[in-house]
Amino acid sequence: QVQLQESGPGLVKPSQTLSLTCIVSGDSMNSGDYYWSWIRQPAGKGLEWIGRVYTNGNTNYNPSLKGRVTISLERSKNQFSLQLSSVTPSDTAVYYCARDFILTGAGFDYWGLGTLVTVSS
Amino acid sequence: SYELTQPPSLSVSPGQTASITCSGNKLGEKYVCWYQQRPGQSPVMLMFQDSKRPSGIPERFSGSNSGDTATLTISGTQPLDEADYYCQAWDSSSASVVFGGGTKLTVL
Repeated sequence: QVQLQESGPGLVKPSQTLSLTCIVSGDSMNSGDYYWSWIRQPAGKGLEWIGRVYTNGNTNYNPSLKGRVTISLERSKNQFSLQLSSVTPSDTAVYYCARDFILTGAGFDYWGLGTLVTVSS
Repeated sequence: SYELTQPPSLSVSPGQTASITCSGNKLGEKYVCWYQQRPGQSPVMLMFQDSKRPSGIPERFSGSNSGDTATLTISGTQPLDEADYYCQAWDSSSASVVFGGGTKLTVL
């Protein structure tokens, strides 16, 4: 059974960098069959895709966040990471990691439980 | 950037059919996925490639996509279907995933 688990600080100060890790179990990130994404959801609001990384390290990012986002892969540890720089209180949200199959239109079939990150001084 | 528009809310009586729409320019030319999110839980995929159900999703959930509108249909709606529903597509022009704003389904 595939499981994804987010981890990282729950509180980040404004202007600092938010860093989260998603540990993947039950599936090898080396398989080349999936993209690995970060998605966030402010309290009471909708889902916002942040970006994704492929097995070979290629990335795609939400244009609205481009320039502040870095998503990277650590294949040896079967995990991937998110860094979001220059955060403001508007970056406060539940952050999810998720997997989507490389087949076009396949969607996100597995999600982590999510981790709340609050940006506050 | 590409936008997907959903009605913020929809109410339906138990046993009736709920149709949740998702609109976007030439959306029918893209694949749409649908997700259900119950309060305090992670989203769950209900539909991929417009109308395909993942394993374990009941047959009363169905999907279609044509023109500018994709529709998620729930037949015989049950109280446990009360949740938020999101559509999602891939925007090739910006190489990014796009989500609709979500529809809160109330079953009463």
